[in-house]
Amino acid sequence: AQSVSQHNHHVILSEAASLELGCNYSYGGTVNLFWYVQYPGQHLQLLLKYFSGDPLVKGIKGFEAEFIKSKFSFNLRKPSVQWSDTAEYFCAVHTGGFKTIFGAGTRLFVKA
Amino acid sequence: DTAVSQTPKYLVTQMGNDKSIKCEQNLGHDTMYWYKQDSKKFLKIMFSYNNKELIINETVPNRFSPKSPDKAHLNLHINSLELGDSAVYFCASSQAMGQGVGEQYFGPGTRLTVT
Repeated sequence: AQSVSQHNHHVILSEAASLELGCNYSYGGTVNLFWYVQYPGQHLQLLLKYFSGDPLVKGIKGFEAEFIKSKFSFNLRKPSVQWSDTAEYFCAVHTGGFKTIFGAGTRLFVKA
Repeated sequence: DTAVSQTPKYLVTQMGNDKSIKCEQNLGHDTMYWYKQDSKKFLKIMFSYNNKELIINETVPNRFSPKSPDKAHLNLHINSLELGDSAVYFCASSQAMGQGVGEQYFGPGTRLTVT
């Protein structure tokens, strides 16, 4: 069955630290990949997406992600986090049709 | 203008009651969804509609009945509410593309508490 794994459930960082959140999926065909962010008490918002082309995609607020097809991965990175990045981060994979599978989420807490 | 709106934002009710949540999107999207987010933040798809037709029904109890009167609206009716139905329910929409759908736009969520 298709699935999305986010390796880190909870991450605690200090401000200015670098961030990398892992995401792996299980599906051998063409995929569209997404990272969504949910700030405390708010709805999910799109951070970035990959459909095709350059596997290194840049999103809002200084986030980027790299699609590595051979590793079935789409890890999220940010060189220097801020306190305002405290949120829940969801990786999502669309494999065709109308269904997108979400990972379990990673809760990031940034200490000021 | 709000892209995807849901009402109500909070819903507190007793076991056994019937309640509805409404969702509207003004993005012109073809596809709409209902998700359930539990207390651990796990997001699970419940239903998906495309052009008012039910496309996905993810083994949700038949106490949950979605209705799409038109492409811009997707409502969720829940009969005989149970404690385990307490969660945040998110509506979302997306535009159909060549090989599926694009990114999803989420509503603000409805926090349902069943006592």
